[in-house]
Amino acid sequence: DIQMTQSPSSLSASVGDRVTITCQASLDINNYLNWYQHKPGRAPKLLIYDAINLETGVPSRFSGSGSGTDFTFTISSLQPEDIATYYCQQYDNLPTFGGGTKVEIK
Amino acid sequence: QVPLVQSGAELKKPGSSVKVSCKPSGDTFSNYPVYWVRQAPGQGLEWMGGIIPGFGIPIYAQKFQGRVTITADKSTSTAYMELSSLKFEDTAVYYCARDRRDGGNYYTPYYHFTMAVWGQGTTVTVSS
Repeated sequence: DIQMTQSPSSLSASVGDRVTITCQASLDINNYLNWYQHKPGRAPKLLIYDAINLETGVPSRFSGSGSGTDFTFTISSLQPEDIATYYCQQYDNLPTFGGGTKVEIK
Repeated sequence: QVPLVQSGAELKKPGSSVKVSCKPSGDTFSNYPVYWVRQAPGQGLEWMGGIIPGFGIPIYAQKFQGRVTITADKSTSTAYMELSSLKFEDTAVYYCARDRRDGGNYYTPYYHFTMAVWGQGTTVTVSS
C-alpha cells in the first residue's frame, strides 16, 4: 500500500489565518490526490480532487497544490465553519488516506 | 449532487455478519462507482472497497479481502457491503460514496476513486 503521511496531526489557528496542511506519499503518485473535510457526525466532503481542482460549490479559500510525493492543502483565511478534520487520499493505487489533521480555532 | 441513503444502525455479536445498504435518494447509480469507507472511533478514514453497479465488478482493499463482499442490485439501484466474521474492532461508522466520474464500460471499467457524494453513514457496533 502507498502510505500517506499527513502533518500536522492537529493545529489551532485564529479566524482569518492562513492554514497549511501537508501530505507526503511513500511513492510518486503523480497528481492522484484528493482532499476531504470531515466534521463530527457528518459525512466527509470532497474539497479538492486531482491535487489542485476545487470541487463544485467549495469556497475558493480552499486550495491544493503539489505533485509527485509532496502535496499541500491551504485555507487562505480560516473561518469558524472550517473547524473539522481534513484528510488527504491518494488513488494512484488502491486508495489510502492520510492520518488526518484536526483544525481548531484558537 | 443527489445524496445517498444508507440503512440504519446495527448491533452485532462477534463472529456474525452485517450487511449495509446504500441507495441514491432520487436517481440511479448508473455506471458511477460506489465505494465503502469506514471510520472507527477515534480513528481516521479507511477505504474498504467498491463496485461499479452497472457492471457488478467489485474491488477490495487487501486488508478486507475474504471478509468483505460488495454487491449491487441494478433493478433497485442499491449497493451493499457485507462484512463477515465481525470483531470488536469492526465497530465503526460505515459510509458509502459515489465516484465523481463514471466507471467507463464493461470491458474497460474505470475507478477514479474520488468520493464526491456520500451517504449519511451507518453505525455498526460489535458487542457481546
